[in-house]
Amino acid sequence: DAKTTQPNSMESNEEEPVHLPCNHSTISGTDYIHWYRQLPSQGPEYVIHGLTSNVNNRMASLAIAEDRKSSTLILHRATLRDAAVYYCILELSNFGNEKLTFGTGTRLTIIP
Amino acid sequence: EPEVTQTPSHQVTQMGQEVILRCVPISNHLYFYWYRQILGQKVEFLVSFYNNEISEKSEIFDDQFSVERPDGSNFTLKIRSTKLEDSAMYFCASSVLAGENEQFFGPGTRLTVL
Repeated sequence: DAKTTQPNSMESNEEEPVHLPCNHSTISGTDYIHWYRQLPSQGPEYVIHGLTSNVNNRMASLAIAEDRKSSTLILHRATLRDAAVYYCILELSNFGNEKLTFGTGTRLTIIP
Repeated sequence: EPEVTQTPSHQVTQMGQEVILRCVPISNHLYFYWYRQILGQKVEFLVSFYNNEISEKSEIFDDQFSVERPDGSNFTLKIRSTKLEDSAMYFCASSVLAGENEQFFGPGTRLTVL
């Protein structure tokens, strides 16, 4: 499986934008870039995913580098509820199974 | 909003006992998964299930583990003879199609083996 590298932790002030980086230099052409997050004492939760183009949804934006070797999850206005561990995961697009391989992620702390 | 549910929320058992963890996936989903997370560690994939059979399993998922979809709604994980090291949070997840789609996770069952 292609690996991802994320900072162990980050802090951000409430109501400010947060940029969470992820490096995936060995990404293959068919790997999708997925972001999940895990709030304290909860199961993981899907945030966003993309292949090549930048993506936006109600939760966040995903900016993907042109060479796809890195990506950035953008929370436009962090709230206390966004404090969580954020995981950047590469996933093959093959049909049939969809195992998620979680790393250690980035623990995001929001400062009130 | 549809959600994955899991029961019980917390299960305490004695080493060597059998446990069954239950999950109700989202109703139109086709793929089902179990993951576990030992306290303070990463979320680890255990097994995926599609069309009434295992589609992939990890090295953790040995002969002590089994999964079943006994009816149209439940998806269970059985551990035949629990060990101390099986203590963890067990998360069930489901998804519609492989490839692009997201997985929806349940709240987890905390298994404590004494």
